Amino acid sequence: AQSVTQPDIHITVSEGASLELRCNYSYGATPYLFWYVQSPGQGLQLLLKYFSGDTLVQGIKGFEAEFKRSQSSFNLRKPSVHWSDAAEYFCAVGTGGFKTIFGAGTRLFVKA
Amino acid sequence: NAGVTQTPKFRVLKTGQSMTLLCAQDMNHEYMYWYRQDPGMGLRLIHYSVGEGTTAKGEVPDGYNVSRLKKQNFLLGLESAAPSQTSVYFCASSYSFSHPPEQYFGPGTRLTVT
Repeated sequence: AQSVTQPDIHITVSEGASLELRCNYSYGATPYLFWYVQSPGQGLQLLLKYFSGDTLVQGIKGFEAEFKRSQSSFNLRKPSVHWSDAAEYFCAVGTGGFKTIFGAGTRLFVKA
Repeated sequence: NAGVTQTPKFRVLKTGQSMTLLCAQDMNHEYMYWYRQDPGMGLRLIHYSVGEGTTAKGEVPDGYNVSRLKKQNFLLGLESAAPSQTSVYFCASSYSFSHPPEQYFGPGTRLTVT
């Protein structure tokens, strides 16, 4: 069955430090992969997506993610975190057509 | 261009009461979805629609009904609310022809059932 695992429930990083959020998926075919961000009290907003081609994907707000087929991973990175990046981040896999399976989310705390 | 809007933003129900959540989108999207978000569980799909007049069950459909009488609107109904339906509900929509199918989300409705 398709699934998405985000191993870290929450992460705390210092402002200006680098960030990596982990995501592993289980899917039999070539996946469509997404990262969404949810600010407090808001809906989800798409950060970036991967379908095919270059395995390093650039997104909005300075985020990037790398697809590694051998590891079934799609980790999200940012070289320097800003206080405004504090939010919850969801990894998701599109199972073809229109359905999407979401991970449980990782909450990011940024300390000054 | 408002995107995806949801009404109401907050609601408190007593067990057994009914209510309808309204979702509207102005992007002419074919697909619309209702999710619930519970702590530690991410988003789970309740029902979805691939076009006006069509609906289908998602992962957790029990206790909910939906209707899509107009392309821009997708209604989620709770006929007899239960405390287990306390959650945050999100509506989303997407194009039918985009690959991958990026979804656009509303701001959510926080529902408490006492």
